[in-house]
Amino acid sequence: GQQVMQIPQYQHVQEGEDFTTYCNSSTTLSNIQWYKQRPGGHPVFLIQLVKSGEVKKQKRLTFQFGEAKKNSSLHITATQTTDVGTYFCAVNDYKLSFGAGTTVTVRA
Amino acid sequence: NAGVTQTPKFQVLKTGQSMTLQCAQDMNHEYMSWYRQDPGMGLRLIHYSVGAGITDQGEVPNGYNVSRSTTEDFPLRLLSAAPSQTSVYFCASSYKGYGTDTQYFGPGTRLTVL
Repeated sequence: GQQVMQIPQYQHVQEGEDFTTYCNSSTTLSNIQWYKQRPGGHPVFLIQLVKSGEVKKQKRLTFQFGEAKKNSSLHITATQTTDVGTYFCAVNDYKLSFGAGTTVTVRA
Repeated sequence: NAGVTQTPKFQVLKTGQSMTLQCAQDMNHEYMSWYRQDPGMGLRLIHYSVGAGITDQGEVPNGYNVSRSTTEDFPLRLLSAAPSQTSVYFCASSYKGYGTDTQYFGPGTRLTVL
């Protein structure tokens, strides 16, 4: 399957601050999905991006697909304790291939 | 709808034992898959199925068998458990499996092999 690299692996954020996590590929991606996994839980689908340059927002979360469709980003504004967890990007081309994830912890 | 269910939630095995992890979905999804999750490595695909009677290997299939006799069920069998198979196992399903399909995950089975 297609390989996607996520950075950073860990993100320690002060409550109220913004942060961004990135998903990069060396090849053009057909689509990119983002999932969130709370500690002790299972991955839950957040959003899907398909078009070049696409930007989608979910409240404080902004997802972007690069113009060349080789990278994607998730930006969270005004981080809250509810944002704690691991965020995965994944490529769905019959075998869903996951990045290693960005694990987010929040300092109150 | 119960969604995707997995049993057991926790399991401890001794090296060499065999067992079956159960997975079932009630959403009439054609596509089902098994992943294992290890720290720092994301989720890695073990086996998947695009419909009843059809299975294929994923990224890390060695030591695992699957079968898909019905649309609803997709059990994962560990033939002879090894400590390297200590992991969290997730079953997932989706309508067709490719392209823009959303994957729905079960709650996971936490397996320890001693």
